[in-house]
Amino acid sequence: EAGVAQSPRYKIIEKRQSVAFWCNPISGHATLYWYQQILGQGPKLLIQFQNNGVVDDSQLPKDRFSAERLKGVDSTLKIQPAKLEDSAVYLCASSLDPQTYEQYFGPGTRLTVT
Amino acid sequence: AQTVTQSQPEMSVQEAETVTLSCTYDTSENNYYLFWYKQPPSRQMILVIRQEAYKQQNATENRFSVNFQKAAKSFSLKISDSQLGDTAMYFCAFSGAGSYQLTFGKGTKLSVIP
Repeated sequence: EAGVAQSPRYKIIEKRQSVAFWCNPISGHATLYWYQQILGQGPKLLIQFQNNGVVDDSQLPKDRFSAERLKGVDSTLKIQPAKLEDSAVYLCASSLDPQTYEQYFGPGTRLTVT
Repeated sequence: AQTVTQSQPEMSVQEAETVTLSCTYDTSENNYYLFWYKQPPSRQMILVIRQEAYKQQNATENRFSVNFQKAAKSFSLKISDSQLGDTAMYFCAFSGAGSYQLTFGKGTKLSVIP
């Protein structure tokens, strides 16, 4: 079974530029999560999707971050414009059934904003 | 809001020895789930072990076991017969029943020394 795929693995941009990350969850997994992991901290949930609907985006900075999950499969997370404090690893995770409480994580995208 | 605290930023252990990682949490909920995740240097987060709060028996997965003290809100991870491949960041995480979202601690960096 293929795992959660993310791309790109690394991205360096200047502040005020835009960037997008892509996630392909495990086949059949209805729930998808985006996390932000700042260096030295644990992951922090940004947004949770159930199929193509948003369950919770209360911690997503909506003035600059957006996310979508068209067709309930792949998802993209966008930052526009980026700030220095957005430098972090962005992790995508998926779950077959959220009631199992088991999430499978992708390798992450390391973003550096200069 | 729930909080998860890991008070040991870094630990080391000799190969084949036993090590215990500490985690405390704060919640007003009675039913919830606790997790230990492992994040090797490649950054892919892997679930190590899970504990349901309503179960009094401590969870065990091969060399990994937990000491769950509900009244003390403590959830420690014991790794027996440590192996070089256990070198990683270890994150304690909490999920309230029905929330399907994870709140992570800041992590403990474990180094296994040959």
